[in-house]
Amino acid sequence: SQTIHQWPATLVQPVGSPLSLECTVEGTSNPNLYWYRQAAGRGLQLLFYSVGIGQISSEVPQNLSASRPQDRQFILSSKKLLLSDSGFYLCAWSVAGGRNQPQHFGDGTRLSIL
Amino acid sequence: GESVGLHLPTLSVQEGDNSIINCAYSNSASDYFIWYKQESGKGPQFIIDIRSNMDKRQGQRVTVLLNKTVKHLSLQIAATQPGDSAVYFCAERVLGSARQLTFGSGTQLTVLP
Repeated sequence: SQTIHQWPATLVQPVGSPLSLECTVEGTSNPNLYWYRQAAGRGLQLLFYSVGIGQISSEVPQNLSASRPQDRQFILSSKKLLLSDSGFYLCAWSVAGGRNQPQHFGDGTRLSIL
Repeated sequence: GESVGLHLPTLSVQEGDNSIINCAYSNSASDYFIWYKQESGKGPQFIIDIRSNMDKRQGQRVTVLLNKTVKHLSLQIAATQPGDSAVYFCAERVLGSARQLTFGSGTQLTVLP
């Protein structure tokens, strides 16, 4: 069966520091991969998605970037964190090419910027 | 623009009763919908999905109903249990994009003993 892993689960970082959050998927090949941010009491905002290695689409202008160095690895990064980057970050995957396929989520990273 | 929202932000039900969580959507061309359950501190968990060519779909203790005429989606949970307490989100597949979903803001379901 397929599994998705995110780490770390929680992270406290000072303003201006770099960021690297990692997500890996097991049990499937060539998945679509997604990064979301969830504000408290709100829905999910799509940040990036990827349909293949090195292919990244950005949904909103921001201080973050994403990379996909391997088929089942998705990384969310920042060179200099802002206070507004605080939030709950979720990685998700879905079957490649599936028109009507659900996205499956990891358990997220709670990021606090001080 | 398109939006996916929920009628009620909170819902409290007695253990053993049935729960109904509602969702409205505005894009009449959207053709795929998903319900997720999110427990505190965890990621959303897939519950059930439905395509627009269906009106109803049933899973284990859950039923999703789709009314395309009024652009309304509901999730029914039978015999609600304490473990069902969570935030429930509906999601809509964005028109023109096979990869993107638009999420509602969620309904907090609380099961009372």
